[in-house]
Amino acid sequence: SQQGEEDPQALSIQEGENATMNCSYKTSINNLQWYRQNSGRGLVHLILIRSNEREKHSGRLRVTLDTSKKSSSLLITASRAADTASYFCATDPRYGNKLVFGAGTILRVKS
Amino acid sequence: GAGVSQSPRYKVTKRGQDVALRCDPISGHVSLYWYRQALGQGPEFLTYFNYEAQQDKSGLPNDRFSAERPEGSISTLTIQRTEQRDSAMYRCASSPAGLNTEAFFGQGTRLTVV
Repeated sequence: SQQGEEDPQALSIQEGENATMNCSYKTSINNLQWYRQNSGRGLVHLILIRSNEREKHSGRLRVTLDTSKKSSSLLITASRAADTASYFCATDPRYGNKLVFGAGTILRVKS
Repeated sequence: GAGVSQSPRYKVTKRGQDVALRCDPISGHVSLYWYRQALGQGPEFLTYFNYEAQQDKSGLPNDRFSAERPEGSISTLTIQRTEQRDSAMYRCASSPAGLNTEAFFGQGTRLTVV
């Protein structure tokens, strides 16, 4: 079963705008990771945030984590057409040895 | 190699046949994971190895599915007596040691059962 639930399911924005995707999960976690998947290709790791961290930045990416609400958000600033992809959050549950993925958010950036 | 390598990239098989999917992880990576991904869905956990030990196989759908990693490096996922519902993308990932770091995914094997 999938623990992470992304919101929205699909998002369409203009190039240059910011994109925000949300993820909710159910159980306690060690960390939460975000992955990107371009059409028909492999999953690429974007960023990992640990359960004792609240915010993390990597280039144009900003991730927040609220363990009290069991939720995370991924912000992509100044989006580009090349950001068009599916974005998945994945949690590393505290009791388990696996990444549990959500169903993903499909982002389309129009140029 | 530089990344996780999976073979074959595409496999078409007849219902009832057995298939073996191979994963060659990044050299030195301790942990290896198998996932299955249906179109439009996120990856679904199948099984996990630490070195050669299969630590968790709770995601394997039934006893037709098995996996091994005999020398702690290359892994094989075997599906016996394939059924049409087994059709999916099968993805392998490896990480240096557990999940406190990122997992590196291969390009996957697209399995089609006809």
